[in-house]
Amino acid sequence: GESVGLHLPTLSVQEGDNSIINCAYSNSASDYFIWYKQESGKGPQFIIDIRSNMDKRQGQRVTVLLNKTVKHLSLQIAATQPGDSAVYFCAEETQGGSEKLVFGKGTKLTVNP
Amino acid sequence: NAGVMQNPRHLVRRRGQEARLRCSPMKGHSHVYWYRQLPEEGLKFMVYLQKENIIDESGMPKERFSAEFPKEGPSILRIQQVVRGDSAAYFCASSPSGRNTIYFGEGSWLTVV
Repeated sequence: GESVGLHLPTLSVQEGDNSIINCAYSNSASDYFIWYKQESGKGPQFIIDIRSNMDKRQGQRVTVLLNKTVKHLSLQIAATQPGDSAVYFCAEETQGGSEKLVFGKGTKLTVNP
Repeated sequence: NAGVMQNPRHLVRRRGQEARLRCSPMKGHSHVYWYRQLPEEGLKFMVYLQKENIIDESGMPKERFSAEFPKEGPSILRIQQVVRGDSAAYFCASSPSGRNTIYFGEGSWLTVV
């Protein structure tokens, strides 16, 4: 089965609030993680990535946290905007593998105005 | 710099026909990946190719599906004798080399009627 999954399939927030999207992975050999955003009818769009030698990485309005102890990954979006409404996927890549990514099923984020 | 280009964006085939999906990677990218996405699902890895080589095809169905990435021209995902279960979105992605962020195209939506 999938080694990457998400705790909640849907998340609804108010515009301006912070959003947190979670992801659990089961392969302790995974060393590279990526968050993608996918809008309806479009391809996945890279948001942010993190390698296993880091615990936290920040981008513009987004932060990814990695907890290797419990094999948990989260994406935090600050001041969520209506344009952030999409499905968010986490993906993992395993060291020594063939560079393929394993995706979770996704969390649908809805931002209410 | 153009992104990953896929065509056709939408394709309708009758059962038993062949479907050919094309992917041109980003300029300078020599690694190509194909993923399949069913409705409300995450992306599932199919195949990883470099120029003229299949590196990992562990996600490809054993029959009817084939992929190539010739020295010249786009990568092709070929599905022979399509069945309704092949209806899905097929995404191509590329990277400049292994162990780098991969970038996705906008997808090809195959509908088998």
